Amino acid sequence: GQSLEQPSEVTAVEGAIVQINCTYQTSGFYGLSWYQQHDGGAPTFLSYNALDGLEETGRFSSFLSRSDSYGYLLLQELQMKDSASYFCAVLGNNDMRFGAGTRLTVKP
Amino acid sequence: SQTIHQWPATLVQPVGSPLSLECTVEGTSNPNLYWYRQAAGRGLQLLFYSVGIGQISSEVPQNLSASRPQDRQFILSSKKLLLSDSGFYLCAWTAAGLYGYTFGSGTRLTVV
Repeated sequence: GQSLEQPSEVTAVEGAIVQINCTYQTSGFYGLSWYQQHDGGAPTFLSYNALDGLEETGRFSSFLSRSDSYGYLLLQELQMKDSASYFCAVLGNNDMRFGAGTRLTVKP
Repeated sequence: SQTIHQWPATLVQPVGSPLSLECTVEGTSNPNLYWYRQAAGRGLQLLFYSVGIGQISSEVPQNLSASRPQDRQFILSSKKLLLSDSGFYLCAWTAAGLYGYTFGSGTRLTVV
């Protein structure tokens, strides 16, 4: 079967750096994605890692270690608008399986 | 550019009534299409996916079904809704071989 584990909640202050970890167990792994979802909205794509290492996109970075079945999303210079739920997701052959999500609260 | 349309935005249905949710994609051909369901405060559960017309893969046993009558149309149906069918239903698409899923705006279904 497949499983993804990520913390349920994280709280940080504006301007800080926060790391959201994700560990996974899966058969058939093509890559790890991250999505952001604001309350009441649809998930939006943030990043994707197919190979080990760090991918940087502006204030957001994502890391993958395939040997450890582990990845993380790093958010820098936190802003109030970053308050949302963040999901890691494993990409398989034709589908994508999501973790339960991490609710990030950014405080002033 | 590609766009995905999903409707209705909200729906309140009585137990035992039928359901039909529609999703269409514009600006692309032969997309991979997906239906997800999200319970309040939870993650996304994959329900169905389709890699082509008439090709449906079901992920969980349930009283829901999906159909793909046209290349860019994906329909989620039920003959008789259960209370447990309440949730936020999301349609998504991606081009074959690509990794970024684009989601529709979702349908919030409440079964009463």
